[in-house]
Amino acid sequence: EAGVVQSPRYKIIEKKQPVAFWCNPISGHNTLYWYLQNLGQGPELLIRYENEEAVDDSQLPKDRFSAERLKGVDSTLKIQPAELGDSAVYLCASSQIGADTQYFGPGTRLTVL
Amino acid sequence: QKEVEQNSGPLSVPEGAIASLNCTYSDRVSQSFFWYRQYSGKSPELIMSIYSNGDKEDGRFTAQLNKASQYVSLLIRDSQPSDSATYLCAVNKETSGSRLTFGEGTQLTVNP
Repeated sequence: EAGVVQSPRYKIIEKKQPVAFWCNPISGHNTLYWYLQNLGQGPELLIRYENEEAVDDSQLPKDRFSAERLKGVDSTLKIQPAELGDSAVYLCASSQIGADTQYFGPGTRLTVL
Repeated sequence: QKEVEQNSGPLSVPEGAIASLNCTYSDRVSQSFFWYRQYSGKSPELIMSIYSNGDKEDGRFTAQLNKASQYVSLLIRDSQPSDSATYLCAVNKETSGSRLTFGEGTQLTVNP
């Protein structure tokens, strides 16, 4: 069974540029999560989807961050414009709906110069 | 107070020793508890979950939960250099589904 797929794995951009990350969850997993992980910290939830509905986006900085999961499968997280402080690893995870075990993708390491 | 706190690292143990990792949480309604292992530059990998008070063993790993004390721990017996990683404690407050709150992690080094 394929795991959670994310792309790109690495991204370097200049501040004020836009950037987008893509995630494809494990097949059959209806719940998808985006996390931000700063160096030396645990992951912090940005947004959770159940199918195509964002059920928890309270921690998403909506002035510059947006996300979508239009068909309830893969998802895109966007930052526009990026700031220096956005440099971090962006992790995607998925789980079966109603289940409490999450499986993480490899992450996208973003560097904003 | 942070919702999930882990003992500050780094923790260093000799090969073959028992490594003990600790975690406390602040919300009494927390339902389920997880330990993830994260190698440097990699994503978190689930190694243990625990739901009720007591011990749960899986190979060299034992998770311990004490809801009255709001405390969860992970013991690694016969530690190996390959166990060197950051261990993340995560807590779920939901009765159905998952919304994890993570601690900052404890970095473990097992010395040959």
